[in-house]
Amino acid sequence: GAVVSQHPSWVICKSGTSVKIECRSLDFQATTMFWYRQFPKQSLMLMATSNEGSKATYEQGVEKDKFLINHASLTLSTLTVTSAHPEDSSFYICSARDAGGVSTDTQYFGPGTRLTVL
Amino acid sequence: GNSVTQMEGPVTLSEEAFLTINCTYTATGYPSLFWYVQYPGEGLQLLLKATKADDKGSNKGFEATYRKETTSFHLEKGSVQVSDSAVYFCALNPRNTPLVFGKGTRLSVIA
Repeated sequence: GAVVSQHPSWVICKSGTSVKIECRSLDFQATTMFWYRQFPKQSLMLMATSNEGSKATYEQGVEKDKFLINHASLTLSTLTVTSAHPEDSSFYICSARDAGGVSTDTQYFGPGTRLTVL
Repeated sequence: GNSVTQMEGPVTLSEEAFLTINCTYTATGYPSLFWYVQYPGEGLQLLLKATKADDKGSNKGFEATYRKETTSFHLEKGSVQVSDSAVYFCALNPRNTPLVFGKGTRLSVIA
């Protein structure tokens, strides 16, 4: 149980285009999902907290107009990187909390999406 | 504030060696504590957790005990395998806010 999927697992795009990454909780409902960014050999940097049916809460320094987050249902959150540039190339990981489960304090992570912007 | 400090890596061990990765934390209240593992090119997997003082989390031969008096949650395994090579993250959950992570410790196990 508690499986989180991400799609796509990797994407290559041209500079200036937009890329959408999907995060799904497959066997549980997630009122809260989180988006992280990870640079090579570094820890995870929290970008934003996504709440179902409301606006996302962005961490300081994260551009909300560049990283659009939508959490339209209890099982799906999307991150759209708009007008991508090479510096946006990174490994993006989402996670979700099981709202109705026993372990509401536990975050379950997706497998990550590697974005390369040429 | 809330923070997690892990021992700096990388850690290189021979197969069947004993593993300890130190983790200490600073937190208000009584957070849950976690160890996550990240294999190359993958996301994070929950390895084990403990929710209150003196709890011991265990999984796949790994274990860690929530020590409130020393604010520690050290990860141990009695006999590591090559397949344990990964990055290990200690984390805490301060009252259902986003996880606070340590910087990660890279473990390499050689045959």
